[in-house]
Amino acid sequence: AQSVTQPDIHITVSEGASLELRCNYSYGATPYLFWYVQSPGQGLQLLLKYFSGDTLVQGIKGFEAEFKRSQSSFNLRKPSVHWSDAAEYFCAVNRGSRLTFGEGTQLTVNP
Amino acid sequence: EADIYQTPRYLVIGTGKKITLECSQTMGHDKMYWYQQDPGMELHLIHYSYGVNSTEKGDLSSESTVSRIRTEHFPLTLESARPSHTSQYLCATRRGSYNSPLHFGNGTRLTVT
Repeated sequence: AQSVTQPDIHITVSEGASLELRCNYSYGATPYLFWYVQSPGQGLQLLLKYFSGDTLVQGIKGFEAEFKRSQSSFNLRKPSVHWSDAAEYFCAVNRGSRLTFGEGTQLTVNP
Repeated sequence: EADIYQTPRYLVIGTGKKITLECSQTMGHDKMYWYQQDPGMELHLIHYSYGVNSTEKGDLSSESTVSRIRTEHFPLTLESARPSHTSQYLCATRRGSYNSPLHFGNGTRLTVT
C-alpha cells in the first residue's frame, strides 16, 4: 500500500535561512507527488507537483522539490525563508482516484 | 483555478443535532472529496465522488453521509452530531485526470458540545 512519511513533526528556522522538509513515500510504480501548504484556519494550497521528467520541480513562493527515486524521497526546499512561510506543510502521493497525505510538518520561522 | 465554497465556516452545535456541511464549486470538476482533519494532524479521506450520483466511502470510517445530485454540489450530513465529530472538514475537487492536483476549500470547523 502507498504511504507517505514526513519524519519531522516540527521545524524551526530563522528568517533568511535555508529550509528542507523531508518526505518519503512507498509506492510500487512511478508516483504522482505533491506538496501543499496550509495556513492556520485555511484549506490547503498547492505548492508544486511532480509527475515525470525533470526531477527538480519549481513551485510557487520560491519553493522547489527534488524527486529521488533511489531514496523514495520528495524533499521540499527553499533557499531563504520568509516569516510568511510559517505554516503546516503536507506531502501527498496519488493513489488511484485519491491522494494520501503525510502527517504534516509544522514550520516556525524566528525573526 | 477552482473556486470552492464551504459553509458554514464555523459551527458550534449541541449533541444529537442534525447538520449539513455545504460544499459548492464553480469549475465543473467531476471529482469531489471530503477530508477530516483534527488540529495539527494529517488529513483523512472520509468520502469521495466521481460524478453525479456516484459516492464512495474513504479511508476513515465516518458516520456522515454525502450526496451528489448536481456536479457543483457535494454536501456532507451528520444525522446526530456527537462530540467525537468535532473536527475540521475540508472539501476538495479535482478535474478529470488522476494526476491533477486537488483544490481545497477553506474548510468548516465543527464543534459539537
